Amino acid sequence: QVQLVESGGGVVQPGRSLRLSCAASGFTFSDYGMHWVRQDPRKGLQWVAVISYDATNTYYADSVRGRFTISRDNSENTLFLQMDSLRPEDTAVYFCASYGVGRYIAYWGQGTLVTVSS
Amino acid sequence: EIVMTQSPATLPVSPGERATLFCRASESVTTNLVWHQQKPGHAPRLLIYGASTRATGIPARFSGSGSGTEFTLTISSLQSEDFAVYYCQQYNDWPQTFGQGTKVEIK
Repeated sequence: QVQLVESGGGVVQPGRSLRLSCAASGFTFSDYGMHWVRQDPRKGLQWVAVISYDATNTYYADSVRGRFTISRDNSENTLFLQMDSLRPEDTAVYFCASYGVGRYIAYWGQGTLVTVSS
Repeated sequence: EIVMTQSPATLPVSPGERATLFCRASESVTTNLVWHQQKPGHAPRLLIYGASTRATGIPARFSGSGSGTEFTLTISSLQSEDFAVYYCQQYNDWPQTFGQGTKVEIK
């Protein structure tokens, strides 16, 4: 079965960086696009970024464009989110998620909490 | 960006009753819409894609309908495990956007 396991969350000061990872198993990772989505109680679910199966295409939410970078290593079945210049409003649980037959979110990881606070 | 609006925010329902949830898009998303279910402390789970196709393993009591800007999720006979928050999400355009959720609670 599909498994997505995020790691790398934690507490970080504003302006600092953090790198999230998502280990994928149970499907052919290199055949599917992947998303990052975040959730906080105030703003609900917010789509963050997406990367195509071969990493040739990426898209970002306006709120993170220029600060966050999505990437993948198909040889290691791993998805990444490099988060720079972090702000308090980036505090959320971050989920990785995989494409379905279309570009919708079909499977979710369990999430990793990122807290940006001084 | 496309704004997704769900109603009602909270839906009190008795076990065994029917629940109907609504989702409206600020512009047409054709049938590029999904529904997710989320229980407290858990990640969301895909229920419906393409507005009306049940995902693998989803019981037949869940059904989706609609196209364009108006969508509905119906749970025909609520079971105890169905009390949760339900989100619609459009994938017709970037950025993909979510509704704010409908909480189905025990009446």
